[in-house]
Amino acid sequence: NAGVTQTPKFRVLKTGQSMTLLCAQDMNHEYMYWYRQDPGMGLRLIHYSVGEGTTAKGEVPDGYNVSRLKKQNFLLGLESAAPSQTSVYFCASSTSLAPQDNYGYTFGSGTRLTVV
Amino acid sequence: AQSVTQLGSHVSVSEGALVLLRCNYSSSVPPYLFWYVQYPNQGLQLLLKYTTGATLVKGINGFEAEFKKSETSFHLTKPSAHMSDAAEYFCAVSINTGGFKTIFGAGTRLFVKA
Repeated sequence: NAGVTQTPKFRVLKTGQSMTLLCAQDMNHEYMYWYRQDPGMGLRLIHYSVGEGTTAKGEVPDGYNVSRLKKQNFLLGLESAAPSQTSVYFCASSTSLAPQDNYGYTFGSGTRLTVV
Repeated sequence: AQSVTQLGSHVSVSEGALVLLRCNYSSSVPPYLFWYVQYPNQGLQLLLKYTTGATLVKGINGFEAEFKKSETSFHLTKPSAHMSDAAEYFCAVSINTGGFKTIFGAGTRLFVKA
């Protein structure tokens, strides 16, 4: 009963390096999300996907790209990392976008990224 | 525009005391409201949610929240705090503006003293 699995859990990047964060869910959820969590700011939506092959921008998409080639996986890419992207990144999934039809979001345990 | 305000970034209570975490929201349309809990080094877990119907919502671990439309509030309470309740709590509001958008509050860290 894995739920939502994120890899890696920790990473340190140098400014300008690239990396990909992987999110995998085994609940057959249609909807997947990437959030970043910064102190005092709660969670902010980066990108989301409403199904395999689809992606959409969230609140803070600049500097990030995403892909959803398979229903169970949602990848977040940083092409050229910047110190402002130091954060904790959470992936989440849900059965529906509509709150009355879902049971809330299921979150992964997070990836702590430091850009130096 | 919708927003969520959690009053108090840190709340400290004694074990056995009442827990009250405050959440106020701003929305021009009927909101759906959630409370999530985050334990150290873990993702967020849903505690409870309000969509429609009864305004007093009961969640897991003895927590409950009451939707008060007149006060635009959705405060989280628990009658008696336990050490295991120490965590960070997030209030979230979701509205339908031609597509659902969910906004999270900044979080309140709950400390429980023995």
